[in-house]
Amino acid sequence: GAGVSQTPSNKVTEKGKYVELRCDPISGHTALYWYRQSLGQGPEFLIYFQGTGAADDSGLPNDRFFAVRPEGSVSTLKIQRTERGDSAVYLCASSLGFGETQYFGPGTRLLVL
Amino acid sequence: RKEVEQDPGPFNVPEGATVAFNCTYSNSASQSFFWYRQDCRKEPKLLMSVYSSGNEDGRFTAQLNRASQYISLLIRDSKLSDSATYLCVVSIGGFQKLVFGTGTRLLVSP
Repeated sequence: GAGVSQTPSNKVTEKGKYVELRCDPISGHTALYWYRQSLGQGPEFLIYFQGTGAADDSGLPNDRFFAVRPEGSVSTLKIQRTERGDSAVYLCASSLGFGETQYFGPGTRLLVL
Repeated sequence: RKEVEQDPGPFNVPEGATVAFNCTYSNSASQSFFWYRQDCRKEPKLLMSVYSSGNEDGRFTAQLNRASQYISLLIRDSKLSDSATYLCVVSIGGFQKLVFGTGTRLLVSP
């Protein structure tokens, strides 16, 4: 079956611009996670959704970052006033439920010039 | 100090060799433990879960020592296709968020 999909696969933007990154989880998966992976590092947790609500957003680095999941399926990660330090691969993962195996999407490579 | 620490490598080994990776974690409240594999410019994929009793999956053996907060992965009879980055991962908190190490890069050569 289809895995987690993320769009766009690559995004180049200029410093100060707004970007939206989209994640389509595996059908039926209620839990959705966002992670960020910088070059040479492991992924770092950003936010977790159970259904429509953000159950844990402790990993969001600052208030420029926001994520939504209005219908409990697709999620959008939004970054305002992008900075060069935001350049990274943004990974989305979904799982059948709490504590189940997380399956990752291919990621969105964000480059802020 | 990072929550999960690994030697970044790279580990260069010939085909057929046995190689071991280790990692340590700092949060004693960590609940679950995993090894993920990540190929270059690809997403992480679960290789195996790790249990205190030790577990084996073909050529791969994983071990957890909760007292020492130490996790290991042993790969026997290395194949060229084993070349990848191996991420040590723990889950923390009620919602099981994953905390990743920086990864250990393995290069298997002919």
